Amino acid sequence: NAGVTQTPKFQVLKTGQSMTLQCAQDMNHNSMYWYRQDPGMGLRLIYYSASEGTTDKGEVPNGYNVSRLNKREFSLRLESAAPSQTSVYFCASRETNTGELFFGEGSRLTVL
Amino acid sequence: GIQVEQSPPDLILQEGANSTLRCNFSDSVNNLQWFHQNPWGQLINLFYIPSGTKQNGRLSATTVATERYSLLYISSSQTTDSGVYFCAVDGTSGSRLTFGEGTQLTVNP
Repeated sequence: NAGVTQTPKFQVLKTGQSMTLQCAQDMNHNSMYWYRQDPGMGLRLIYYSASEGTTDKGEVPNGYNVSRLNKREFSLRLESAAPSQTSVYFCASRETNTGELFFGEGSRLTVL
Repeated sequence: GIQVEQSPPDLILQEGANSTLRCNFSDSVNNLQWFHQNPWGQLINLFYIPSGTKQNGRLSATTVATERYSLLYISSSQTTDSGVYFCAVDGTSGSRLTFGEGTQLTVNP
């Protein structure tokens, strides 16, 4: 039982490049989330998916797109990366009955 | 949306000391969780505690939902307790957790 798995763990991009962060969970959770964490700050919600087939914007959605591919997978795409998107990205999924949130190990992205 | 405030922002302890971290929130909540982010950046679930009291070893937490606060107690602190402690809440109208800005805890040997 791996929980929430994110790939890649580290990535360096040049300004304007695109990339996709992958996230998968094996806990049969309905809801999945993408957060970003900047140095010295808490976590800010980028996008979330309350169930398969639905996605909604969070606090900081600009510059990102998401896809809920199936119940297990929720990907985050940067179409044209900017230095302001340098951050650590966390994927999470939420237990359906209790609402308890579980995080992946994070993906550190640097945009030069 | 719901506001979450954590205090203190920073806390430095000697090993063996006890501490209390506080989380205040601005509205009724369905869900409240405490997380520990270790120095390697991993976010570890400590407690799911929308109300009441729970204990897990040297850590315990209490949420008084009617007064809109939660407390995390760390007893006999160890250097491995260092890191950032986050409180996160979910208001009754939504499906998304809002995080506080965290308490940075440093435990010195």
